[in-house]
Amino acid sequence: QSVLTQPSSASGTPGQTVTISCSGTTSNIGRNTVNWYQQLPGTAPKLLIYSNHLRPSGVPDRFSGSKSGTSASLAISGLQSGDEADYYCAAWDDSLNGLYAFGTGTKVTVL
Amino acid sequence: QVQLQESGPGELKPSETLSLTCTVSGGSISDFYWTWIRQPPGKGLEWIGHIYYTGSAHYNPSLRSRVTMSIDTSKNQFSLRLNSVTAADTAVYYCATSGGYCGGDCLPFWGQGSLVSVSS
Repeated sequence: QSVLTQPSSASGTPGQTVTISCSGTTSNIGRNTVNWYQQLPGTAPKLLIYSNHLRPSGVPDRFSGSKSGTSASLAISGLQSGDEADYYCAAWDDSLNGLYAFGTGTKVTVL
Repeated sequence: QVQLQESGPGELKPSETLSLTCTVSGGSISDFYWTWIRQPPGKGLEWIGHIYYTGSAHYNPSLRSRVTMSIDTSKNQFSLRLNSVTAADTAVYYCATSGGYCGGDCLPFWGQGSLVSVSS
């Protein structure tokens, strides 16, 4: 059972902006940076956002991340059909001797 | 660019030991943390643990009693062993690493994944 909670699904039409939330606690998001991963069907996860808001080389600026307190969010602007995927937040959790916690995951559907 | 490739048996019977190896290319294993993650069919991601090139390992508390990780710097490989498997251990197992990126707090490099099924 994950310590980071995300909505199970989100959807939008092409061109719209979709925002995904990630709720944690003072043991994880509250004190550590948040990363976001995109998992297209049948593939390995891909790092989308790191250190709360930074994009690895090659990730379009349509993807943006933010963090406030014990919550984080990922925004996808200019939604495209190719963005249909599962999205996971992740952060180190300092309780229980520490572990890298993934969020519950959000399935984004492009209508 | 670091590349990772998992290998190992795809089918196990309950109570057997899962054994997977991750081969690293495009870089030396003698640095950074090397991570195992799994994903049951249709479910989310679970961090199993990671091992430093020195051999120091840290495991998910929920799996700690059954997990052992090891590293072979001469072969540029690291391995995962999970004892006493049950059907609940059926998953795609990924190896991954930070490769020194983002201060080690993120995972930009992943293998393609290896499906392990546990069934009698």
